Amino acid sequence: GAGVSQSPRYKVAKRGQDVALRCDPISGHVSLFWYQQALGQGPEFLTYFQNEAQLDKSGLPSDRFFAERPEGSVSTLKIQRTQQEDSAVYLCASSPNAGGGEKLFFGSGTQLSVL
Amino acid sequence: QKEVEQNSGPLSVPEGAIASLNCTYSDRGSQSFFWYRQYSGKSPELIMFIYSNGDKEDGRFTAQLNKASQYVSLLIRDSQPSDSATYLCAGNFGNEKLTFGTGTRLTIIP
Repeated sequence: GAGVSQSPRYKVAKRGQDVALRCDPISGHVSLFWYQQALGQGPEFLTYFQNEAQLDKSGLPSDRFFAERPEGSVSTLKIQRTQQEDSAVYLCASSPNAGGGEKLFFGSGTQLSVL
Repeated sequence: QKEVEQNSGPLSVPEGAIASLNCTYSDRGSQSFFWYRQYSGKSPELIMFIYSNGDKEDGRFTAQLNKASQYVSLLIRDSQPSDSATYLCAGNFGNEKLTFGTGTRLTIIP
């Protein structure tokens, strides 16, 4: 069975470029989370979807960050006008339940490097 | 701000010994806690979860939760070199998201 799939695995962007990161959750999973993990740190919450509804976006660091999940399945995290401080691993996680809990599964992440 | 704190380590433990990882949190409304293992360059993988005060054992792993003192710990018995990783403590404080600590880097010395 397929797990949570993220693409691209690595992304190098020049400062000021826009990037789009994709997450394919496990089929049928209701909840989808995006986390940002800086080097040597724990994951930091960015945003949460339940089906297509974005229920919590309190962790998005600025209005340059935007996430969507229009059909309640695939999600895209978009970062506009990237800055060096955006360099991090972006993790996507999905769960069959509303919310996370013990059935939360993480993808391998997208490592973003902004030069 | 609900916070989860961990000693970042590194923690070095001889092979076969018990590794003890600790985590404290600052919100008395917390409900459940999770321990994730993360190998370098890999995604977090759930090891244990605990919802109630006391101990919970699963193989070589024991999670301990003390809500009065606001700490949660993970014990790894008979430590193996393959246990070398970063261990992330996370709490669910009554909403859907998990709040993670910074992680403790554990090295098992053969």
